[in-house]
Amino acid sequence: SQTIHQWPATLVQPVGSPLSLECTVEGTSNPNLYWYRQAAGRGLQLLFYSIGIDQISSEVPQNLSASRPQDRQFILSSKKLLLSDSGFYLCAFDYRVTGELFFGEGSRLTVL
Amino acid sequence: QQPVQSPQAVILREGEDAVINCSSSKALYSVHWYRQKHGEAPVFLMILLKGGEQKGHEKISASFNEKKQQSSLYLTASQLSYSGTYFCGTVGNSGYALNFGKGTSLLVTP
Repeated sequence: SQTIHQWPATLVQPVGSPLSLECTVEGTSNPNLYWYRQAAGRGLQLLFYSIGIDQISSEVPQNLSASRPQDRQFILSSKKLLLSDSGFYLCAFDYRVTGELFFGEGSRLTVL
Repeated sequence: QQPVQSPQAVILREGEDAVINCSSSKALYSVHWYRQKHGEAPVFLMILLKGGEQKGHEKISASFNEKKQQSSLYLTASQLSYSGTYFCGTVGNSGYALNFGKGTSLLVTP
């Protein structure tokens, strides 16, 4: 069966520090991969999606970047965190555009 | 591209019904519904595809009006376990990824 894992689950970072959130999918190949952020009052905001290695689309201009070094690995990064980067980050995958999205457990980031 | 959900919040007594609406300004290919409990990841409820269909999942059903670019989620005889935040997600005809609305907070009380 397919599983998705992301880590770390919780982190507290100072403003200006770097960030790296990792997400790995198992049990499937060539998934579509997504990063969402959930901040208070904004719902689930799509940040990045990827339909293949080196094929990453950014939905919102921001202080973050994404990379897909392997087929089933998706990384969210920042060189310098801002207070506004705080939130609940969710990695997800699906097999096709109209398919069910499977979410990871989420990473709660607090920037102080 | 973010769909608009209404109402923002609703409080029900157990056994009552509720309707959550989702609308988009763009032509839609599909509408997805998810429910999220506090501190957890969203859980899939159902997908409705272009063509104007209606689906049911126990006492939770949904409709999709392609022409109006609207979808509604119907919760009948609500149970305490229905509490959570409901999100609709949409995929446009020319889009690719799922864009979610801001969510509707639903609280079912005894």
